[in-house]
Amino acid sequence: GEDVEQSLFLSVREGDSSVINCTYTDSSSTYLYWYKQEPGAGLQLLTYIFSNMDMKQDQRLTVLLNKKDKHLSLRIADTQTGDSAIYFCAESKGGGGSYIPTFGRGTSLIVHP
Amino acid sequence: DVKVTQSSRYLVKRTGEKVFLECVQDMDHENMFWYRQDPGLGLRLIYFSYDVKMKEKGDIPEGYSVSREKKERFSLILESASTNQTSMYLCASSRPQRDTQYFGPGTRLTVL
Repeated sequence: GEDVEQSLFLSVREGDSSVINCTYTDSSSTYLYWYKQEPGAGLQLLTYIFSNMDMKQDQRLTVLLNKKDKHLSLRIADTQTGDSAIYFCAESKGGGGSYIPTFGRGTSLIVHP
Repeated sequence: DVKVTQSSRYLVKRTGEKVFLECVQDMDHENMFWYRQDPGLGLRLIYFSYDVKMKEKGDIPEGYSVSREKKERFSLILESASTNQTSMYLCASSRPQRDTQYFGPGTRLTVL
């Protein structure tokens, strides 16, 4: 199976909250990332969380980590049409270990009026 | 801000042509990467480099080669382009021992 799994699509109404989920298999993962890719562009780092944290909040974004279940989520409050993009979850061991993140296949978030 | 630039946003080539994709970063990063992105498959690592003149194969190196003559520049070469290499190509860079990657805008390559 894949190392990092995400659902491929999510559709939400403007103003609602979006929750994008991700599961990973490597229990030694140290860093977990969320990247955003807007149409026709490269990936942009949105946020990341260390494995010793449960939650991280940054304005409209909330990241929740359940290390026991190896589950990561990204919640976007008050979702706007500008949030329509592909969101990639990634994990890495960090530090002296592998410095190459493993990416999920990406979740396409579609925001409709 | 970290800036990673790629030489072309869109490129159209013919089967059998030799293709060069260039990537330049301005943050003195040691690590550089080439990925291809295809719908439903996510990002797949082609090659990476952790120093000048060093290169390592990623998950799908077949049909590709790379060159890193200068620290800031990492080139991806398709020796003889084929239609199955039609894809979005993304370059990224990162600092040594750090995993946060900074991506370029991508090059959409079409091979006819």
